[in-house]
Amino acid sequence: KNQVEQSPQSLIILEGKNCTLQCNYTVSPFSNLRWYKQDTGRGPVSLTIMTFSENTKSNGRYTATLDADTKQSSLHITASQLSDSASYICVVSSPGGGADGLTFGKGTHLIIQP
Amino acid sequence: DTEVTQTPKHLVMGMTNKKSLKCEQHMGHRAMYWYKQKAKKPPELMFVYSYEKLSINESVPSRFSPECPNSSLLNLHLHALQPEDSALYLCASSPQLGEQFFGPGTRLTVL
Repeated sequence: KNQVEQSPQSLIILEGKNCTLQCNYTVSPFSNLRWYKQDTGRGPVSLTIMTFSENTKSNGRYTATLDADTKQSSLHITASQLSDSASYICVVSSPGGGADGLTFGKGTHLIIQP
Repeated sequence: DTEVTQTPKHLVMGMTNKKSLKCEQHMGHRAMYWYKQKAKKPPELMFVYSYEKLSINESVPSRFSPECPNSSLLNLHLHALQPEDSALYLCASSPQLGEQFFGPGTRLTVL
């Protein structure tokens, strides 16, 4: 069964600190992996998308990594800001991943404290 | 235009009301989706339209009725909803399966 597991479930850090969120998946076959940021009550916004051949991609202070061999991805946030408080969702795309081709993780709820 | 728009942003309705949610995109995407998302849960797929035809219905109750008038518009008609239907309803579009752009969502409350 295709699954995406994210950890930690929630995380609280101080403003200015760095943090790393984890995503492990068992989706096969694999098409791509996306990290989304979702503010409370808003739609998810794509941060990065990585295909099988990519192992690092950055978007400003966000850096995602992908190890397709171990089926693991991480999202590193540098110098966190209060506006980074949100849920971060890992989504894996696959022709067999559900009717829409996607398997969603349950997200990591990140809180940045001043 | 590189975004998906949804209206209204918020909607409060009674169980006997009829209302509609609207979604629009002008990116030329030919697949459009409705998702339901409860608090602290991932989005759950409700409907998929491909080339304006309903291709996938994930066994959603008939009180939710989708409509795709053209390739840019997607509606979700609501009738006789239950309080447990209160959720964030997300619209998304994609040029092909798996590369989705989400709208900001409609926060629905059923009293």
